[in-house]
Amino acid sequence: ETGVTQTPRHLVMGMTNKKSLKCEQHLGHNAMYWYKQSAKKPLELMFVYSLEERVENNSVPSRFSPECPNSSHLFLHLHTLQPEDSALYLCASSHRGLAGSTGELFFGEGSRLTVL
Amino acid sequence: GENVEQHPSTLSVQEGDSAVIKCTYSDSASNYFPWYKQELGKRPQLIIDIRSNVGEKKDQRIAVTLNKTAKHFSLHITETQPEDSAVYFCAASRYNNNDMRFGAGTRLTVKP
Repeated sequence: ETGVTQTPRHLVMGMTNKKSLKCEQHLGHNAMYWYKQSAKKPLELMFVYSLEERVENNSVPSRFSPECPNSSHLFLHLHTLQPEDSALYLCASSHRGLAGSTGELFFGEGSRLTVL
Repeated sequence: GENVEQHPSTLSVQEGDSAVIKCTYSDSASNYFPWYKQELGKRPQLIIDIRSNVGEKKDQRIAVTLNKTAKHFSLHITETQPEDSAVYFCAASRYNNNDMRFGAGTRLTVKP
């Protein structure tokens, strides 16, 4: 399969559960991202892994924990979430040059998370 | 940090008419401005982008204009078609995707 693949596409979990979202990119990119998409709000950047560097949005709660074992795989570990965390979580990848130049973001189709 | 405002939040046009979506940004150092289209239930996809060294860029029926002095940029779609119906997001970034900020989106409906 080509492009950016996310699993699961849909996830329902209770507030005490632990689950993980998975993202895989087959584009040879060297940067991967997690975005949160809530209704009528801007796409919110949560985490970036790029050229061995991790960047995070300081407003993201610690109940979200990213993991990037290699340049093709990205995980988002979820623990003791709240109902307001229900949203579409989008993974993206891009190519970044050594100078940090901006590249097109290629998004996955998202994981729709519902927290009960 | 960067703040991107996008208007309108919804836009309905008749097929064949033009559609314009406007965005403003706050960080004068931003120099990359992409536009993404997200069809219902699908992933956002880049449709056009512009860098700060040009004022306008066109690709068939789609064009983007940038006014760096006023810190605003706009998406123009001419001869709209029903398949243009989607949510459109603008974004602004200083030099890499670490600091890219998106607008809240515009839901465009093209009525046949």
